[in-house]
Amino acid sequence: AQRVTQPEKLLSVFKGAPVELKCNYSYSGSPELFWYVQYSRQRLQLLLRHISRESIKGFTADLNKGETSFHLKKPFAQEEDSAMYYCALSGRNQGGKLIFGQGTELSVKP
Amino acid sequence: GAVVSQHPSRVICKSGTSVKIECRSLDFQATTMFWYRQFPKQSLMLMATSNEGSKATYEQGVEKDKFLINHASLTLSTLTVTSAHPEDSSFYICSAPLAGGLETQYFGPGTRLLVL
Repeated sequence: AQRVTQPEKLLSVFKGAPVELKCNYSYSGSPELFWYVQYSRQRLQLLLRHISRESIKGFTADLNKGETSFHLKKPFAQEEDSAMYYCALSGRNQGGKLIFGQGTELSVKP
Repeated sequence: GAVVSQHPSRVICKSGTSVKIECRSLDFQATTMFWYRQFPKQSLMLMATSNEGSKATYEQGVEKDKFLINHASLTLSTLTVTSAHPEDSSFYICSAPLAGGLETQYFGPGTRLLVL
């Protein structure tokens, strides 16, 4: 079954601390993994996707097929990073359908 | 960048009435759009795939007669919640991929539905 699991509902850190938002997936095939972010009162927007292997706003995520994980990391959190973060999965033959994890609320305190 | 709009942004209706929600791609064409439902502080649940010129594809457990989807043009998909009940109260979000397939999806701002 296709599934995305984000074990933490809330992650609270202080400014400047490292951040890791966990994401594990279950998919029989070659998945495409994404991180989406939703800032307060704004729409969902793409943060990054694994095939791009890019760093956006200091965030990176590496697809680990052995551990079926796609954890999101940032070495030094900023207050403006506070938001809801959703890990999502799509399959190559899924026509773009996204399966979302439960979301993790990141709170960065001053 | 690409923009997806939704209308209305929020709607309150009486139980038993039908509510139509529009999703528009403002500066690009979308042969496919997706409709999601989101409960407070919870994940987005895919409801259906809206296909321009053909029937929508519904996810398991989603009642197609309850949630009518019409993809009238390459820039417009509508979701009609028929005979709405309080349990249909939710946040409905649409998305559209820029070039179909696995390209970046652009999300609408969502529509808050409250059924009294």
